[in-house]
Amino acid sequence: KNQVEQSPQSLIILEGKNCTLQCNYTVSPFSNLRWYKQDTGRGPVSLTIMTFSENTKSNGRYTATLDADTKQSSLHITASQLSDSASYICVVRAASGTYKYIFGTGTRLKVLA
Amino acid sequence: DVKVTQSSRYLVKRTGEKVFLECVQDMDHENMFWYRQDPGLGLRLIYFSYDVKMKEKGDIPEGYSVSREKKERFSLILESASTNQTSMYLCASSSATGDTGELFFGEGSRLTVL
Repeated sequence: KNQVEQSPQSLIILEGKNCTLQCNYTVSPFSNLRWYKQDTGRGPVSLTIMTFSENTKSNGRYTATLDADTKQSSLHITASQLSDSASYICVVRAASGTYKYIFGTGTRLKVLA
Repeated sequence: DVKVTQSSRYLVKRTGEKVFLECVQDMDHENMFWYRQDPGLGLRLIYFSYDVKMKEKGDIPEGYSVSREKKERFSLILESASTNQTSMYLCASSSATGDTGELFFGEGSRLTVL
């Protein structure tokens, strides 16, 4: 069964600290993996995409990694800011079935001043 | 700036009422989707459409129908709203060309059924 699991479910950190969010997936065949940021009451917005051949990709203070062998991805946030408070959703796209996206349940991050 | 616009951010309806949620995208995308989002369950696919007048059931289509008369517009219809349909509804679109398949989401419609 295709599944995406994220951990932790929620996280509280102080402003300026770093944190890492985890995503484990059992999706086959794999096409790509995206991390989305969803602010409270808003729609999700893509932060980064990882394909099979990519190990690491950065987008400002966000760095995503992918280990295709162990089927794990992480999202590392450096020097957190209050505006990073949001839910982060890991979404894996299956290579078969054009419309098959498998969503994790998200990690809710709260950054405190 | 690319945009997916959902007609209503907040709605309150009574049990048994008919509810229309509309979604418009300005990116000329072929694919459009309706998801519902509930705490602890993540996003679940209700219906999707890959072309005008075409629709496919997602994982939880019961109690919903959709309409796509124009490429840019995808409507979700609740024929007879029930309390268990209280949720956040998200519309998304994506291009059929290219490999990345990025989903572009609207801001969401929070529906409360009393």
